[in-house]
Amino acid sequence: DQQVKQNSPSLSVQEGRISILNCDYTNSMFDYFLWYKKYPAEGPTFLISISSIKDKNEDGRFTVFLNKSAKHLSLHIVPSQPGDSAVYFCAAVQDSGGSNYKLTFGKGTLLTVNP
Amino acid sequence: NAGVMQNPRHLVRRRGQEARLRCSPMKGHSHVYWYRQLPEEGLKFMVYLQKENIIDESGMPKERFSAEFPKEGPSILRIQQVVRGDSAAYFCASSRTSTARGSPLHFGNGTRLTVT
Repeated sequence: DQQVKQNSPSLSVQEGRISILNCDYTNSMFDYFLWYKKYPAEGPTFLISISSIKDKNEDGRFTVFLNKSAKHLSLHIVPSQPGDSAVYFCAAVQDSGGSNYKLTFGKGTLLTVNP
Repeated sequence: NAGVMQNPRHLVRRRGQEARLRCSPMKGHSHVYWYRQLPEEGLKFMVYLQKENIIDESGMPKERFSAEFPKEGPSILRIQQVVRGDSAAYFCASSRTSTARGSPLHFGNGTRLTVT
């Protein structure tokens, strides 16, 4: 029972263009969503997050959009750079339920940004 | 600026042996969380510990796995009688208090366990 789904295992974009990574969730109790970036042989690094009371959060080149009715979120990277090449994990948690350390992760999307 | 430190980075064990994974939290942090990433999967929560206490072990397999966070020293994740299915990357995260609302977990670089 996968509660967080990243249906695209991989994505390839040209440097300078937009990268859009998608994530769907099924548990309506999730109220806080995060994106992590992971390089090989390293731990996941926190990138950006969004609370369910918002529909957009922006941090530099990274923007996360949340569509609660569709239970869908996406990460936009503009412009994409070769250093962005990594695996991106979507994660969700019931932040208000007292167990906000118990993240549920998707399987990840491998982003490759070509020079 | 030491983050969460995990060792060893790589661990190879034969089936039936014991594996011990160590996690030193960030300075001043007394809450530790262990996650496991199986091949081709996302990370999955295993256990949450405070100093000398297990707070939530709902993600831990019922047998062969145990975790501790003693008053002094690192947190230890112990796997007895390892099997091939235990081969995975094990990640640790820490926090100063129980995670505040909207506060993300920060992970160490993990221990990659290979069971031969």
